Amino acid sequence: AQKVTQAQTEISVVEKEDVTLDCVYETRDTTYYLFWYKQPPSGELVFLIRRNSFDEQNEISGRYSWNFQKSTSSFNFTITASQVVDSAVYFCALSEASRRGSTLGRLYFGRGTQLTVWP
Amino acid sequence: SAVISQKPSRDICQRGTSLTIQCQVDSQVTMMFWYRQQPGQSLTLIATANQGSEATYESGFVIDKFPISRPNLTFSTLTVSNMSPEDSSIYLCSVSLPGQPQHFGDGTRLSIL
Repeated sequence: AQKVTQAQTEISVVEKEDVTLDCVYETRDTTYYLFWYKQPPSGELVFLIRRNSFDEQNEISGRYSWNFQKSTSSFNFTITASQVVDSAVYFCALSEASRRGSTLGRLYFGRGTQLTVWP
Repeated sequence: SAVISQKPSRDICQRGTSLTIQCQVDSQVTMMFWYRQQPGQSLTLIATANQGSEATYESGFVIDKFPISRPNLTFSTLTVSNMSPEDSSIYLCSVSLPGQPQHFGDGTRLSIL
């Protein structure tokens, strides 16, 4: 069965600090996808990144970076030089490849990490 | 990427009534998903709605409580029936396009008095 664990319920940092959000997943599938979504106080879900199970390259996008390690089943997310606008709930999610061609199946979400960045 | 319009954005309803939430997509999609997010909780899948077939419900969710329609490839509705305070949640629809991550509507914030 698929499972996503975000052990950190809440994290508070001061602006300009770096912060890492942890995500550990479980799946029996050989092909799967991992995601990070951001949910600001307004409530919408904002897609941040997707990785597939065959691509373990770490990625950097501006102040965001992701560390995917299959050996430890982890997909951690780091924000460098955090800003107040980064305050949100961050969800890690897992999806298997859908049987319907290249579309993705349902998402399994972690419980989310509430990040608060203080000025 | 897909543009998803979800209506209403929020509502306050009386106990025992029903509310229908609409989800409109600007692209034809095979799979649409309905999620529930209870206050302070993560997202839980209610059902998967495929055009031309009955929706597939997850454990703990039943068609009588959450009937879903999927009349075409760009539209779906979710009805929350006989509402109680426990149904107060954000309800979100999402779609899956080939080669793309799932995109979500802005959600419907539902409060039951």
